[in-house]
Amino acid sequence: DAKTTQPNSMESNEEEPVHLPCNHSTISGTDYIHWYRQLPSQGPEYVIHGLTSNVNNRMASLAIAEDRKSSTLILHRATLRDAAVYYCILREYGETSGSRLTFGEGTQLTVNP
Amino acid sequence: EAQVTQNPRYLITVTGKKLTVTCSQNMNHEYMSWYRQDPGLGLRQIYYSMNVEVTDKGDVPEGYKVSRKEKRNFPLILESPSPNQTSLYFCASSSEQGSNQPQHFGDGTRLSIL
Repeated sequence: DAKTTQPNSMESNEEEPVHLPCNHSTISGTDYIHWYRQLPSQGPEYVIHGLTSNVNNRMASLAIAEDRKSSTLILHRATLRDAAVYYCILREYGETSGSRLTFGEGTQLTVNP
Repeated sequence: EAQVTQNPRYLITVTGKKLTVTCSQNMNHEYMSWYRQDPGLGLRQIYYSMNVEVTDKGDVPEGYKVSRKEKRNFPLILESPSPNQTSLYFCASSSEQGSNQPQHFGDGTRLSIL
């Protein structure tokens, strides 16, 4: 999987929007951009994914740059329960590799009351 | 409720004593996999299975075995555990194996090998 770069940590205040950036300059045309998060003592949880267009779901929005070399996960109103490690992952399907997720170190999001 | 269930959640055992961590999913997913998570190394894939009776190695398969006799179950077997297998383990599943399918993870199994 292609490499992604995320800040190690970010802070936000409760009920404010959060923009989590991810750089993926070596992305290929067939790579999907996935975001997962991991709350303390839990397994990773799927947040959102996209290919080219911006995406919205009940958890977040994903803004993808026109050249696809970067993306931003947007939490519209952060809550204390959103404090977690957020992983940006490029996922491609391979006949021999299956559909593994290659996790980096992610961004530790702290939400202040 | 759609879920991936791992058992046990915690286990302390000794070197060389065979153990099995079970994983079961109720979503009729074809694809299942095992990851281990270690500080500073992130999550790394151990084994994966594309369907019943089809398994293959991930990035760190040494010291582990898996089997996929039924679609819902994907146990991880440590035939002769060693201290370097002390880790947090996660099972995951997804429908098909396309790159646009989200994976569902279990809550993890923390293994300590003494």
